[in-house]
Amino acid sequence: GQQLNQSPQSMFIQEGEDVSMNCTSSSIFNTWLWYKQDPGEGPVLLIALYKAGELTSNGRLTAQFGITRKDSFLNISASIPSDVGIYFCAGQEPRDDKIIFGKGTRLHILP
Amino acid sequence: KAGVTQTPRYLIKTRGQQVTLSCSPISGHRSVSWYQQTPGQGLQFLFEYFSETQRNKGNFPGRFSGRQFSNSRSEMNVSTLELGDSALYLCASRGTNYNEQFFGPGTRLTVL
Repeated sequence: GQQLNQSPQSMFIQEGEDVSMNCTSSSIFNTWLWYKQDPGEGPVLLIALYKAGELTSNGRLTAQFGITRKDSFLNISASIPSDVGIYFCAGQEPRDDKIIFGKGTRLHILP
Repeated sequence: KAGVTQTPRYLIKTRGQQVTLSCSPISGHRSVSWYQQTPGQGLQFLFEYFSETQRNKGNFPGRFSGRQFSNSRSEMNVSTLELGDSALYLCASRGTNYNEQFFGPGTRLTVL
């Protein structure tokens, strides 16, 4: 099946800094999804992207669906303490609509 | 509109036992997927049910099974539990916008 490579695995940043993370896949996806997971909770959908080249924002978050349909990135601007958590990318396979996940980027914010 | 609910939230079992987890999707959603989340492997897809039929299946042994009822509620069963089955089991539902998937809070299973 498809493999999703998400990077970086973890990030340590100062409050107020911008953050960028990305995902690449071995083949194309129909849809890219970005989630955030807080400790002890299920992932929460942040942004959904439906077509190649699409750029979508949700507050301080911006995500793009890559032109090749094999990659996506998520940017967070002016990070705040509540941004701490694990961010997952996910892609919907065109063959069977299965949604598979990257291994996550753990975001730490230094005081 | 209520979100995805999962019961129980926490469970402790011993090796060899079996366990059943329950998931109620968002009202009107007919697709329910199950994932296993562990620190080393991330979110691994178990299976998806749509209108009481298994639509997709991941690469897990036959000890992991599921079903879906006519009201779209789903159960997942794991038989002959092993230590490595300790994980957070997440359920997610999809509605008419089949591209977007929403998760429940998960069931934390610990196998001793």
